[in-house]
Amino acid sequence: DAKTTQPNSMESNEEEPVHLPCNHSTISGTDYIHWYRQLPSQGPEYVIHGLTSNVNNRMASLAIAEDRKSSTLILHRATLRDAAVYYCILTSGAGGTSYGKLTFGQGTILTVHP
Amino acid sequence: NAGVTQTPKFRILKIGQSMTLQCTQDMNHNYMYWYRQDPGMGLKLIYYSVGAGITDKGEVPNGYNVSRSTTEDFPLRLELAAPSQTSVYFCASSYPGANYGYTFGSGTRLTVV
Repeated sequence: DAKTTQPNSMESNEEEPVHLPCNHSTISGTDYIHWYRQLPSQGPEYVIHGLTSNVNNRMASLAIAEDRKSSTLILHRATLRDAAVYYCILTSGAGGTSYGKLTFGQGTILTVHP
Repeated sequence: NAGVTQTPKFRILKIGQSMTLQCTQDMNHNYMYWYRQDPGMGLKLIYYSVGAGITDKGEVPNGYNVSRSTTEDFPLRLELAAPSQTSVYFCASSYPGANYGYTFGSGTRLTVV
């Protein structure tokens, strides 16, 4: 499975934008980039996903590099409720045993200061 | 809209006991998954199912069994509980394929003593 690399931790101030980076240099052409977050004592929550183009939804934006070897999750205005572990995950869209599966790494712990 | 419902939320088992963790989803998702999460770690896939009657092993299946008799339900069975199975267990569901997000349940915190 293609792997991702994320910083162990990041910090932000409330109401400021947050850019969470993810490197995935071995990504294949059929891999989707997914982001999930896990708030303390809760199950993971879907945030956003994309294949090649940048994506926006009500929670966040996903910026994907032109060569697809990296991506950035953007939280436009961080709130205290955004403090969580953020996981960047590649999922295979090519069929086979890895089709659609999520393999979680360690993620990035985001701390938001008031 | 309930989403993915897991029961129980907490359980303490003695070594050698057995139990079933229940998972139900009401979104008509074909795919369902069981993960475990040890303290400070990411989630690891135990078993998954692509539809009723079809299950397959994930990364850490030893000590667990699953069945999928309906689209809605995907119970996880622990036989002969061991301390190494102390963990938080998450069930998830999704539509088929990589272009859909997963919906996770709120988890079952299991302690084996």
